[in-house]
Amino acid sequence: TQLLEQSPQFLSIQEGENLTVYCNSSSVFSSLQWYRQEPGEGPVLLVTVVTGGEVKKLKRLTFQFGDARKDSSLHITAAQPGDTGLYLCAGAGYSNYQLIWGAGTKLIIKP
Amino acid sequence: DSGVTQTPKHLITATGQRVTLRCSPRSGDLSVYWYQQSLDQGLQFLIHYYNGEERAKGNILERFSAQQFPDLHSELNLSSLELGDSALYFCASSVEGQGASGELFFGEGSRLTVL
Repeated sequence: TQLLEQSPQFLSIQEGENLTVYCNSSSVFSSLQWYRQEPGEGPVLLVTVVTGGEVKKLKRLTFQFGDARKDSSLHITAAQPGDTGLYLCAGAGYSNYQLIWGAGTKLIIKP
Repeated sequence: DSGVTQTPKHLITATGQRVTLRCSPRSGDLSVYWYQQSLDQGLQFLIHYYNGEERAKGNILERFSAQQFPDLHSELNLSSLELGDSALYFCASSVEGQGASGELFFGEGSRLTVL
């Protein structure tokens, strides 16, 4: 069974600080997606990483896919209150067509 | 606005009752997915339909059923409701039949409260 573990489960920091959240698995994924979900809304895709070792930047957010395609990280620089939300990673396997979801990291950025 | 429409947004009902949640996917999307999300939890995959046919089942209870109609809208039926069924139910759509490699577009969810 493929599993994706996200850490930390919860993070509360002050505005302006940097942070990293992780998405780890013992399984290899063909690609990995990161979504952000704000309260009362559905998740919205931030990025998809496909190639092992790939790094993608989205303004202050940096996403990295591990060389072995088993893990990923999301680094936020100078966090802002608008970054508050639930960050979910989802991996696409090779043997089936369904996304495997992590349980999420709940991030709160205090002004 | 993701283009995915879910109704109703909120629903309060009693144990033992039956409810139907409705989802209209984005124009042109053939795949519809249903997910359950309990308070501050991740997404639990329930079921996937592609162009009217069931493609995959996740952790969907036997008391739950779904279908996708010829006009591609989908309904999730929840019966013999229990307190533990209280959750947010999301519908998502995607262009591809094999949604794993494509972006999912989520609706705003239907919040079900069972009293």
